[in-house]
Amino acid sequence: EVQLVESGGGLVQPGRSLKLSCVASGFTFSNYGMNWIRQAPGKGLEWVAYISSGSSYIYYAETVKGRFTISRDNAKNTLYLQMTSLRSEDTALYYCARLPFFDYWGQGVMVTVSS
Amino acid sequence: DVVLTQTPPTLSATIGQSVSISCRSSQSLLHSNGNTYLHWLLQRPGQSPQLLIYLVSRLESGVPNRFSGSGSGTDFTLKISGVEAEDLGVYYCVQGTHAPYTFGAGTKLELK
Repeated sequence: EVQLVESGGGLVQPGRSLKLSCVASGFTFSNYGMNWIRQAPGKGLEWVAYISSGSSYIYYAETVKGRFTISRDNAKNTLYLQMTSLRSEDTALYYCARLPFFDYWGQGVMVTVSS
Repeated sequence: DVVLTQTPPTLSATIGQSVSISCRSSQSLLHSNGNTYLHWLLQRPGQSPQLLIYLVSRLESGVPNRFSGSGSGTDFTLKISGVEAEDLGVYYCVQGTHAPYTFGAGTKLELK
């Protein structure tokens, strides 16, 4: 059974950093590109970042470019999102999802940026 | 960036009614490899999104065949042939052809 389990969220002050993790199981993680997607409370889905299977290709949404870094460790079946210079508008439920079809999603991890 | 325009934003339906949702792209979603990476997701209240349709018209495993997708280029449609109570939620189209990838704003399906 394919599973994606996010962790690392919480309450953080503006300007601080946080690192999210997404542990994958039930499939060959190293064969798939992965995404981070977020959803602000009561809002729609916003794509955040993409990383290819071998980390050769990485893309970011303009809203996070220069502040967030996506990475992966295929030996640990884990996807990461390092978030720095956090802002109140980064408050959201963060999901990891598998590409190329967005066919599997984690349960999400909440990040709240507030003083 | 590619903009996906979903209409209508809200859809009221009775059980058994057939409904359609439109997703229009600001540019062609045909990839150079010949695939069109336009997919449809359903997010039920309090749940993570789930994939319904991928590559425009391919039904995800386990998804009822009352769901169907069609379209090409910039114009796509999701049809539900006979709404059931479990279909209520927010439907999103998403494109994975052009980075940055983008989602439509969503269509909320509710009971009339």
